[in-house]
Amino acid sequence: GENVEQHPSTLSVQEGDSAVIKCTYSDSASNYFPWYKQELGKRPQLIIDIRSNVGEKKDQRIAVTLNKTAKHFSLHITETQPEDSAVYFCAASILERGYSSASKIIFGSGTRLSIRP
Amino acid sequence: EPEVTQTPSHQVTQMGQEVILRCVPISNHLYFYWYRQILGQKVEFLVSFYNNEISEKSEIFDDQFSVERPDGSNFTLKIRSTKLEDSAMYFCASSDRAPSNQPQHFGDGTRLSIL
Repeated sequence: GENVEQHPSTLSVQEGDSAVIKCTYSDSASNYFPWYKQELGKRPQLIIDIRSNVGEKKDQRIAVTLNKTAKHFSLHITETQPEDSAVYFCAASILERGYSSASKIIFGSGTRLSIRP
Repeated sequence: EPEVTQTPSHQVTQMGQEVILRCVPISNHLYFYWYRQILGQKVEFLVSFYNNEISEKSEIFDDQFSVERPDGSNFTLKIRSTKLEDSAMYFCASSDRAPSNQPQHFGDGTRLSIL
């Protein structure tokens, strides 16, 4: 089955600097890659997602890149702020044509991002 | 913004007892999921549900577990004969059909503590 590897497990950056989190996936059939942010004791919240028909997607300070050949995808956060401190999870899923069944998400192990003031 | 709601927020149960975790998905959503997260670890898929039947289940989701959509609004996870290792945060999620069956929206979770 699908396996998603994520690194680093912890990341500390100076406020205002950029943060990069990298993930790899094993199943070449995966075609949907969401990123979730989880604050302590809270629900995972979707921050951005990308489908396999695009290589990059950006939303303000957050961007995600996808390399299907290498089965790599990455999250980039620019101009980091204290409120960016959280655990970030990458994930992968296979969306079937026609959506005739629910599609599970396989999560990476998480990156604890700390922003130093 | 509509949200997935889960009850209770915290459930404490004696080992061997049965628990039912309840979820109210977002009202127009058609796909439903349960995940669990052991403290400090990643989120793990348990089961997905669509059109009144299980779409897929993980190896964690054995005969001890069952899901049900008893009416048009609730989606429940039942755990029979609970074990210490069932202690975790359980998240319900739901997704809509259009334009695809993603993204999934998560509830706040139920923290299950088995004593």
